[in-house]
Amino acid sequence: QVHLVQSGAEVKKPGASVKVSCKASGYTFSNYGVGWLRQAPGQGLEWMGWLSSNSGNAHYPRNLQGRVTMSTDKSSNTAYMELRSLRSDDTAVYYCARVFGDYELIYFDFWGQGTLVTVSS
Amino acid sequence: YVLTQPPSVSMAPGETARITCAGPNIGSKSVHWYQQKPGQAPDLIIFFDSSRPTGIPERFSGSNSGNTATLTIIRVEAGDEADYYCQVWDGSSDQVVFGGGTRLTVL
Repeated sequence: QVHLVQSGAEVKKPGASVKVSCKASGYTFSNYGVGWLRQAPGQGLEWMGWLSSNSGNAHYPRNLQGRVTMSTDKSSNTAYMELRSLRSDDTAVYYCARVFGDYELIYFDFWGQGTLVTVSS
Repeated sequence: YVLTQPPSVSMAPGETARITCAGPNIGSKSVHWYQQKPGQAPDLIIFFDSSRPTGIPERFSGSNSGNTATLTIIRVEAGDEADYYCQVWDGSSDQVVFGGGTRLTVL
């Protein structure tokens, strides 16, 4: 069965960077894209971007462009999300998810367990 | 593109819950629904408006037309208590968009 296992909780200072990993198993990693989403405490879901398996291109929302980078290591079936110039409002649980489809067909069919990133001085 | 969901819905066990997701001409988009129980990651429960992933009970169904998509849960159970989110792709901004979420409380 499909499993996505994320790295552990992080505490970072404002201005620092964080890199979260997501190790996939139970399916052919190269056949699916990987998406990243986050959820601030008590808030809803926010899409952070996805890495397409078809094109290899990354797609980010405008509000995060320039601060976020998504990548994969196909040799270890692991995806990464790096967020730079952290601010207190980046404090959230970060999720990776397997992507089905592209663009107007996109949805997230399996999710990692989440990684809490706390930004505090 | 904004998706509007009611913040909360309360139902007694055995009743039918309908959770709406409103957006301009949402009927022309594919809508997906997620269930998130407290302290857990979201789970996909409906994709492409009305399809259910393997393992999701038939009590859960979806529809989408005009300006409103609807998640329907029949014979509501205590275990259905969760937050529910709708999601679409907005081609005009090239973004994935989520609704604000609806908390289902089972009385």
